[in-house]
Amino acid sequence: GQNIDQPTEMTATEGAIVQINCTYQTSGFNGLFWYQQHAGEAPTFLSYNVLDGLEEKGRFSSFLSRSKGYSYLLLKELQMKDSASYLCAVMDSNYQLIWGAGTKLIIKP
Amino acid sequence: GAVVSQHPSWVICKSGTSVKIECRSLDFQATTMFWYRQFPKQSLMLMATSNEGSKATYEQGVEKDKFLINHASLTLSTLTVTSAHPEDSSFYICSASGGERITGEAKFSYEQYFGPGTRLTVT
Repeated sequence: GQNIDQPTEMTATEGAIVQINCTYQTSGFNGLFWYQQHAGEAPTFLSYNVLDGLEEKGRFSSFLSRSKGYSYLLLKELQMKDSASYLCAVMDSNYQLIWGAGTKLIIKP
Repeated sequence: GAVVSQHPSWVICKSGTSVKIECRSLDFQATTMFWYRQFPKQSLMLMATSNEGSKATYEQGVEKDKFLINHASLTLSTLTVTSAHPEDSSFYICSASGGERITGEAKFSYEQYFGPGTRLTVT
């Protein structure tokens, strides 16, 4: 079967760095997405990785290792507004998105 | 990024009535639209995938006669919840992918652009 695993909840301090991991097992691979979702709102796109390596975009970076079926989202200089759920999703061979359950990130002052 | 709108943003209806939710891609032509449902503190659950001009593909466990999906054009898809019941109360989110921008240069992407969601409460 297809499976996406990510931690249910993480806590970090304002100004610090946090890494959210995602492991996956899917039928085929056409890229991995990270989305941010604030409570009561729809998800918003953060990043897309299809090749191995690190993609940096401001305070957020996303890493992919296809051989390990592994990705992480790195958030630097955390701000209170970063408190949200972070969803990992993998596009399979049929171009369908397989969603993880999301990681709720709590930022403390 | 591309813009997707949903209407209404929230709706309250009585049990047994039907509710229609619209999803529009405002600045690109969406070849595929997706409908999701999300219960409180849970992840997104894909309900169905629809391609313009063809019947929607429903996920297992989703009643196609209860959740009617129409994707009549490259910019509009509708979800109708028929004979709604309190257990249908949820956050319904659409997303759109693929296609070409209506204005500006052509773009094709498998990225899903999400609408803002519709909160449905059935009393």
